[in-house]
Amino acid sequence: EVQLLESGGGLVQPGGSLRLSCAASGFTFRSYAMSWVRQAPGKGLEWVSVISGSGGSTDYADSVKGRFTISRDNSKNTMFLQMNSLRAGDSAVYFCAKVLEGAYDYDAFDIWGQGTRVTVSS
Amino acid sequence: EIVLTQSPGTLSLSPGESATLSCRASQTVSSSYLAWYQQKPGQAPRLLIYGASSRATGIPDSFSGSGSGTDFTLTISRLEPEDFAVYYCQHYGSSPTFGQGTKVEIK
Repeated sequence: EVQLLESGGGLVQPGGSLRLSCAASGFTFRSYAMSWVRQAPGKGLEWVSVISGSGGSTDYADSVKGRFTISRDNSKNTMFLQMNSLRAGDSAVYFCAKVLEGAYDYDAFDIWGQGTRVTVSS
Repeated sequence: EIVLTQSPGTLSLSPGESATLSCRASQTVSSSYLAWYQQKPGQAPRLLIYGASSRATGIPDSFSGSGSGTDFTLTISRLEPEDFAVYYCQHYGSSPTFGQGTKVEIK
């Protein structure tokens, strides 16, 4: 079964850091770009970042550029999101998502994790 | 950045009725890189439609997508109780964006 499982969320103070993980199973992880998408409480979906299958190409939403870093370890079928200089506005459920077609970095997301909650508050 | 505007914000319908959801883009969506997702409370989104009109695996044919350029539509032909949810459109070219969502609620 194709599955994504996020972890690492929690409560952090403004200005703090947090590292999210997304463990993948059931597919050839290295063959697919992966993304992070977040959803603030009661709000809509916001794309955060993407990383290519090899890890050699990344992109970020303007709202997190310079503060967040996406990476992956294909030997461990795991993707990460390092979040620094966190703000209250970063509070959200963070989902990891797999692209539909392996050939594309930007594609529809056919598999989603259950999400991990990040709360930035003093 | 392509801004996606969904309408209406809320659609109140009865089971068995059909639903028509609109998604308008601020500029042309190239190669129909437009997807639709369904999200229920406490759950992750589920891919329904990609490429503007292709159904994802396992999605019933009561769901259909159409449109091109800047105007796209998701149609649910016969609402089942499990179809009441929030629906998002997404542009998935460079710098992906989502619409703000349309809630389909039971009338």
